[in-house]
Amino acid sequence: AQSVTQLGSHVSVSEGALVLLRCNYSSSVPPYLFWYVQYPNQGLQLLLKYTSAATLVKGINGFEAEFKKSETSFHLTKPSAHMSDAAEYFCAVSVGAQKLVFGQGTRLTINP
Amino acid sequence: DTEVTQTPKHLVMGMTNKKSLKCEQHMGHRAMYWYKQKAKKPPELMFVYSYEKLSINESVPSRFSPECPNSSLLNLHLHALQPEDSALYLCASSQESANTIYFGEGSWLTVV
Repeated sequence: AQSVTQLGSHVSVSEGALVLLRCNYSSSVPPYLFWYVQYPNQGLQLLLKYTSAATLVKGINGFEAEFKKSETSFHLTKPSAHMSDAAEYFCAVSVGAQKLVFGQGTRLTINP
Repeated sequence: DTEVTQTPKHLVMGMTNKKSLKCEQHMGHRAMYWYKQKAKKPPELMFVYSYEKLSINESVPSRFSPECPNSSLLNLHLHALQPEDSALYLCASSQESANTIYFGEGSWLTVV
């Protein structure tokens, strides 16, 4: 069965530092992978998606993710954290045209 | 800004009340979804409508009753809920054949 595992339920970085949120997937077929962000008291916003067109995917707000088949990973990065990046981040894998399986989420805290 | 609009944003209801959550999208999507999200947890799929027909019901209790009046609208009728049903209810939509799901801002439901 397809699944994702997010390593670290809470990540804390200083403003201006590199952000690295980890996601590993399990899939027997080429996966469709997603990162969503959820700001406090809001819904989910799509950050970026991998659909096999390119291994390095650029998203909104300066985030990007790299698909590494050999490591079954799809880690999310941002070179320089901003206070406004504080949120919950969910990695997800599509298990069919209408089903997403989410990771448990990683809460990102930015220290001034 | 999300193109999936949910009303109301907040709802408080008693266990004997009947209420409804509403969702609207104008992206021409033919699949619509209801998800439930408890605090500090990922969203859980409840229902999927495809071309206005219920295609997935994730064994949701009958006190939750979905309705899709047309391709742009999705309702969730609530009756005889329990306090443990208090959660954020997220509506979402996607193209029928696509894997990318777009979420609304959610409706916060409190059952007292």
